[in-house]
Amino acid sequence: GESVGLHLPTLSVQEGDNSIINCAYSNSASDYFIWYKQESGKGPQFIIDIRSNMDKRQGQRVTVLLNKTVKHLSLQIAATQPGDSAVYFCAENLYNFNKFYFGSGTKLNVKP
Amino acid sequence: GAVVSQHPSWVICKSGTSVKIECRSLDFQATTMFWYRQFPKQSLMLMATSNEGSKATYEQGVEKDKFLINHASLTLSTLTVTSAHPEDSSFYICSARDRTSGRQGFGDGTRLSIL
Repeated sequence: GESVGLHLPTLSVQEGDNSIINCAYSNSASDYFIWYKQESGKGPQFIIDIRSNMDKRQGQRVTVLLNKTVKHLSLQIAATQPGDSAVYFCAENLYNFNKFYFGSGTKLNVKP
Repeated sequence: GAVVSQHPSWVICKSGTSVKIECRSLDFQATTMFWYRQFPKQSLMLMATSNEGSKATYEQGVEKDKFLINHASLTLSTLTVTSAHPEDSSFYICSARDRTSGRQGFGDGTRLSIL
């Protein structure tokens, strides 16, 4: 259920700097993870994914790192741009359950 | 690929009204669709999973009689909020999984406001 008064943590970075957004996932049985970007008033957009048999995956300007030992994911964005400002969520897929659960999210604010 | 359309994008209605939200996969067939609810400044909470031609599976704590889900075809799922009350006001987002590629697309959400 919802938590009254909960606010998203915010990460503020300068344009051009690198950003690192972290996420702790809950279930050690999760085998697939996705990072999503959500702009205000819109649905989530796929950024990058990673399977549990990997610990790193790179895309265009983005890298996802997975540490299964401590159930931690991170999203690194290189040369952050104003258009990267949004809320970022990680989502985990529980093995064999064919559905995703979202983490709590981080708001990225890029200052020009 | 995996383009999902959700309609309407915004609904304002009186308490007691039932509201139907549509979710369509535009360029793929989706055997599985998902419905999420999102409160302001919070994450997406999975409400239910719907499979084409069968009953939806609801997450714990979600009232299936309040949130009726129908997945009548491979490209359409609907969520009906029955006898909506102000506490049902929220942002509802659907998602559909391409049965060929496995890619999951999201709609742009429906903002529901119950007066």
